Amino acid sequence: DAKTTQPNSMESNEEEPVHLPCNHSTISGTDYIHWYRQLPSQGPEYVIHGLTSNVNNRMASLAIAEDRKSSTLILHRATLRDAAVYYCILGTDSWGKFQFGAGTQVVVTP
Amino acid sequence: EAGVAQSPRYKIIEKRQSVAFWCNPISGHATLYWYQQILGQGPKLLIQFQNNGVVDDSQLPKDRFSAERLKGVDSTLKIQPAKLEDSAVYLCASSLRGSPLHFGNGTRLTVT
Repeated sequence: DAKTTQPNSMESNEEEPVHLPCNHSTISGTDYIHWYRQLPSQGPEYVIHGLTSNVNNRMASLAIAEDRKSSTLILHRATLRDAAVYYCILGTDSWGKFQFGAGTQVVVTP
Repeated sequence: EAGVAQSPRYKIIEKRQSVAFWCNPISGHATLYWYQQILGQGPKLLIQFQNNGVVDDSQLPKDRFSAERLKGVDSTLKIQPAKLEDSAVYLCASSLRGSPLHFGNGTRLTVT
């Protein structure tokens, strides 16, 4: 299975944007890039996913490099509630056989 | 829409005892997953069901772990006998084909 590489942690000030990088140099042509986040004492929750084009939803934006070997999750205005572990995962769209890595711990400072 | 329900929320047992976790997925979700999350790590897939059939159980330690999904709805995950290294949060998730996973809040197991 293709693997992803993420920084262990990132810190941001409240109301500032957060850019979370993810490297996936061995991505296959059929792999989607999925992002989930996990708040303390909760299960992971879906954030966004994409294949080739940049994607936007109410939670975040996903910017995918042209060669698809890296991507960036963008939280436009961080709030204290965005403090969580963010996971970048590769997988097909159909069956969600996701292999989670350790993710990036995002700390938001008031 | 009701979320994925899991019980119990917490469980403490001694090593060599047995334990069972229960999961009720979102109504209509055909695919169900059990994940194990050890402290400080990301979730690790244990088993995946499609309706009541097993799609993938390659990472399930079958000598001590078992899971079933009767009638393609609820599922139970059992550990017998438990070891110290089984201490973790056990997460259940469900999905429709091609849609995001919905996770429950998990069962935190402590084996002493």
